[in-house]
Amino acid sequence: GENVEQHPSTLSVQEGDSAVIKCTYSDSASNYFPWYKQELGKRPQLIIDIRSNVGEKKDQRIAVTLNKTAKHFSLHITETQPEDSAVYFCAASIQYNKLIFGAGTRLAVHP
Amino acid sequence: ETGVTQTPRHLVMGMTNKKSLKCEQHLGHNAMYWYKQSAKKPLELMFVYNFKEQTENNSVPSRFSPECPNSSHLFLHLHTLQPEDSALYLCASSPGQGADQPQHFGDGTRLSIL
Repeated sequence: GENVEQHPSTLSVQEGDSAVIKCTYSDSASNYFPWYKQELGKRPQLIIDIRSNVGEKKDQRIAVTLNKTAKHFSLHITETQPEDSAVYFCAASIQYNKLIFGAGTRLAVHP
Repeated sequence: ETGVTQTPRHLVMGMTNKKSLKCEQHLGHNAMYWYKQSAKKPLELMFVYNFKEQTENNSVPSRFSPECPNSSHLFLHLHTLQPEDSALYLCASSPGQGADQPQHFGDGTRLSIL
C-alpha cells in the first residue's frame, strides 16, 4: 500500500545550525505535500506546503524542496532557534481525499 | 487559534462505557476528518466527511461510530473500546475534501481506556 517514510526519527542541533528532514513517498500520483509542526501537548500546525508543479518553496527560515522523479521531498530549517523544537510530520496526498503521514521527526534545538 | 475546537481534552473510560468526542470548526470549511495518533506511529486517518456525508471509512472497527450533523460539527461515538484504543484523537477540517486542501487540526482528545 501507499506509505511515506520520514528520516531521521530524531534530530539534535545547536541553535543557529540548519536542520533537514527528508521524506520519501510511494504513490507517483501524489501532488500535494504539507509539513506540520506539533509542539508537546499541542495540535499539529501546518507550517508550509508544496504542490507538484513547484520544485521549491520558501517562507522565511523554512523551505521545502520536491523531487518528483525520485519521489522525495525535504524540509529545511535555517538558523534554528529553541522554539523550533517540536515533532515535524510530512505528508503526501493519495487518492482524491486522503493524506498519508510520515512517522515524525523529533527536533531538539539546544541553546 | 480557536478554528477547530475539540471536547473533552481528556477522557478516561472503562471498556464497557459509552462516550462521545465532539469537534466543532469555525472556519467555514466543508470537509472534516477524524485521526488517531498513537505514540511513535504516523497519524492514522479514520473517517472523512464532506458536506456532512461520509466519504471515507479507513477500515475502522465498528466500536467507533462517527456522526456529522452539519459541516461544522463532527462527533465520534465510542462503545466497548479496547486498551489499544488509548491514543490522542484529532479532528481536522479543510475547505473541501480534495487531498490537496490544507487541513487544520484541533488540539485533540487524549483518550485512556482502563
